[in-house]
Amino acid sequence: NAGVTQTPKFQVLKTGQSMTLQCAQDMNHEYMSWYRQDPGMGLRLIHYSVGAGITDQGEVPNGYNVSRSTTEDFPLRLLSAAPSQTSVYFCASSSGTAIYFGEGSWLTVV
Amino acid sequence: AQSVTQLGSHVSVSEGALVLLRCNYSSSVPPYLFWYVQYPNQGLQLLLKYTSAATLVKGINGFEAEFKKSETSFHLTKPSAHMSDAAEYFCAVQNQAGTALIFGKGTTLSVSS
Repeated sequence: NAGVTQTPKFQVLKTGQSMTLQCAQDMNHEYMSWYRQDPGMGLRLIHYSVGAGITDQGEVPNGYNVSRSTTEDFPLRLLSAAPSQTSVYFCASSSGTAIYFGEGSWLTVV
Repeated sequence: AQSVTQLGSHVSVSEGALVLLRCNYSSSVPPYLFWYVQYPNQGLQLLLKYTSAATLVKGINGFEAEFKKSETSFHLTKPSAHMSDAAEYFCAVQNQAGTALIFGKGTTLSVSS
């Protein structure tokens, strides 16, 4: 089982560049979410989706866009990267209390 | 609103000693609670979760946690620490809608020989 697949695992961006972190799940889960992890801050919710075509903001949405055109995919877009977006990003999909995380994407913005 | 507080950002124990990582939650509804472990430069691994069945939850690697409603706590314990337990541990509560998790800020466990 693939579970939740995140790509890329590592990425270095220059300030102002745009990029998309990909997240795909093969479990037919309705709920998907994106978190960022920063030292001493734990994981904070960026955006989440409760189904195809439905997304909502989490705790730290500024600077990020999401869309959910299919049940399987939930990409996270950085429109104009800033050094403050240097972080580790985790995607998750869930059904009830069965929650599955991707392996993480380490992003550095220089 | 729900929240999680992990007491102690850093806990140090000797190998063989009791591990106690503290987690208190705030929730207006019966909570679903989770503990995750993260090894350096790795992803998140689920240790255990409480979903309103037994209040004492046993997890992987010898860890367990007890849900205490009266104390709004869900502390993680292990009777005897091993060097391989050194990692960062996160407590989390599922939000009321069931759509996402709310995490504590994490506790780094160090184990010395």
